[in-house]
Amino acid sequence: DSGVTQTPKHLITATGQRVTLRCSPRSGDLSVYWYQQSLDQGLQFLIQYYNGEERAKGNILERFSAQQFPDLHSELNLSSLELGDSALYFCASSVVSGSFTDTQYFGPGTRLTVL
Amino acid sequence: LAKTTQPISMDSYEGQEVNITCSHNNIATNDYITWYQQFPSQGPRFIIQGYKTKVTNEVASLFIPADRKSSTLSLPRVSLSDTAVYYCLVVPYQAGTALIFGKGTTLSVSS
Repeated sequence: DSGVTQTPKHLITATGQRVTLRCSPRSGDLSVYWYQQSLDQGLQFLIQYYNGEERAKGNILERFSAQQFPDLHSELNLSSLELGDSALYFCASSVVSGSFTDTQYFGPGTRLTVL
Repeated sequence: LAKTTQPISMDSYEGQEVNITCSHNNIATNDYITWYQQFPSQGPRFIIQGYKTKVTNEVASLFIPADRKSSTLSLPRVSLSDTAVYYCLVVPYQAGTALIFGKGTTLSVSS
């Protein structure tokens, strides 16, 4: 158990819909990262938040957005869903304590199926 | 970010030592080499990280030659439960950097 929690575990929805994925980082971790893993694209970085502020963006579609709340949990919002958005969505967290590469701890993921 | 190249797949038997080599020719002075392990439908799990020479922890060793253009992850006496995908990543010496994953090496361990 990494200490990172994600809900829900599974989500089945239809094209055109909107869903919200939730992530609670490990206690004390200030940074949250979202990754998408699909069969054809592999593991891809989407977006990072640090202490409530967006810090880095990866291959995140405009239909997707995220935020990190004062209690440091994060939500990833996916809208106008398409079949191709079906994937495993992972959240990771890290301390970000200053000047060295810190370990990222991954949650168990949310499996999204768009029908 | 430095690109990494590693074998797509490897096969082994229980009890053997497995060495997975990763090439990172364009590694920068401030980059670290990091390995993650991923089981099916689970999030990646940090295994080991190093800068140069040899690093060992309770699950693996990491060998990095002086030129740092490659690295080798060594798993001693693998078991069936080591069947997983292993990712080699080059991570800048800067906390809070997103990870860029390649395709990884799928290790299959048989009895």
